[in-house]
Amino acid sequence: ELKVEQNPLFLSMQEGKNYTIYCNYSTTSDRLYWYRQDPGKSLESLFVLLSNGAVKQEGRLMASLDTKARLSTLHITAAVHDLSATYFCAVDYRDSNYQLIWGAGTKLIIKP
Amino acid sequence: NAGVTQTPKFQVLKTGQSMTLQCAQDMNHEYMSWYRQDPGMGLRLIHYSVGAGITDQGEVPNGYNVSRSTTEDFPLRLLSAAPSQTSVYFCASSSNSANYGYTFGSGTRLTVV
Repeated sequence: ELKVEQNPLFLSMQEGKNYTIYCNYSTTSDRLYWYRQDPGKSLESLFVLLSNGAVKQEGRLMASLDTKARLSTLHITAAVHDLSATYFCAVDYRDSNYQLIWGAGTKLIIKP
Repeated sequence: NAGVTQTPKFQVLKTGQSMTLQCAQDMNHEYMSWYRQDPGMGLRLIHYSVGAGITDQGEVPNGYNVSRSTTEDFPLRLLSAAPSQTSVYFCASSSNSANYGYTFGSGTRLTVV
């Protein structure tokens, strides 16, 4: 069974702190995506990770992919209130006809 | 470049009614998908298409039909709406080259009463 597990599911943190969201998946894939969703809005693409060891950074967010461990991380550095949102990871299994398998999402609240 | 366009944005249906959610993309993407998102959950795949004339079922296909007569359009039909279909529906598209992720439409918030 294809599974994607995110943790934590809920995270409340202070501005200026660092934290990491984890995304574990059950079956090998070389493609993983991170999305951001604000309340009542659509999903915004943050990172596209296409190979083992891929690391991408955008502002205070950095994502990495370890395909051997079947693990991706989304690291937040010196959090600011504007990063409050729900973050999803999704694993691409299109070659296996399963399309995207999603994590349940991490609701991130950053307190000023 | 409009990306992925979904209509309508909001819809209220009575139980038993049928309707079509529209999805169009102008990026010449081969892959198109429909997802539903329920509160506190991730997205679940309803149907998907890997090209014009080709569709397949996802995780939760019951009660929904799709067709893909053109590359651009991928409508989702609710055959006989039920309260369990109250949800937010997202259409997404992606290129076959897989160098990019999926682009999402703005969503349709559907309530079945």
